[in-house]
Amino acid sequence: DSGVTQTPKHLITATGQRVTLRCSPRSGDLSVYWYQQSLDQGLQFLIQYYNGEERAKGNILERFSAQQFPDLHSELNLSSLELGDSALYFCASSVVNTGELFFGEGSRLTVL
Amino acid sequence: AQTVTQSQPEMSVQEAETVTLSCTYDTSESNYYLFWYKQPPSRQMILVIRQEAYKQQNATENRFSVNFQKAAKSFSLKISDSQLGDTAMYFCAFMKQYNTGKLIFGQGTTLQVKP
Repeated sequence: DSGVTQTPKHLITATGQRVTLRCSPRSGDLSVYWYQQSLDQGLQFLIQYYNGEERAKGNILERFSAQQFPDLHSELNLSSLELGDSALYFCASSVVNTGELFFGEGSRLTVL
Repeated sequence: AQTVTQSQPEMSVQEAETVTLSCTYDTSESNYYLFWYKQPPSRQMILVIRQEAYKQQNATENRFSVNFQKAAKSFSLKISDSQLGDTAMYFCAFMKQYNTGKLIFGQGTTLQVKP
């Protein structure tokens, strides 16, 4: 158990819909990261938050957004969903500057 | 831009044997981290081993060790005394120093340990 909690574990929805994925980092970790794992794109960094502020952005679509709340949990919002958004979405957290990430179990999103 | 390449999509090894997974990377950075992550069928990403580029000594973690060749930009993972529980997909990953969290992953190598 990494200490990072993600909900829901599985989600099935239709094209055009909007979903929210939730992540609770390990106790004491201020940084939260979102990654997407898909068959065609592999594992890709989406976005990083540190203590409530956006710190770095990767290949995140404009239809996607994220935020980190005062209690340090984070949400990834995916809107106007397309078939190609079907993927496993990971959240990870870390102690800053250690270079070591702890991943949650992921949220499997299926868009039909 | 940094890239990470794993040239072996699939590998298999007999239980108790040794196997080496290959990884090469491309970067102009001089300071960085390299990682091997394991993703078993449960799908959770688990850190196997970590190497800081400034350290010449190869990292080891129990049965797992790396061969880090900085000049050749090569970072292979050796698994000794392979166990059935080692069956998983293995990802090599790169991170710039002080860019904590933004990992660049290779395509992965599926390792099957056979009894």
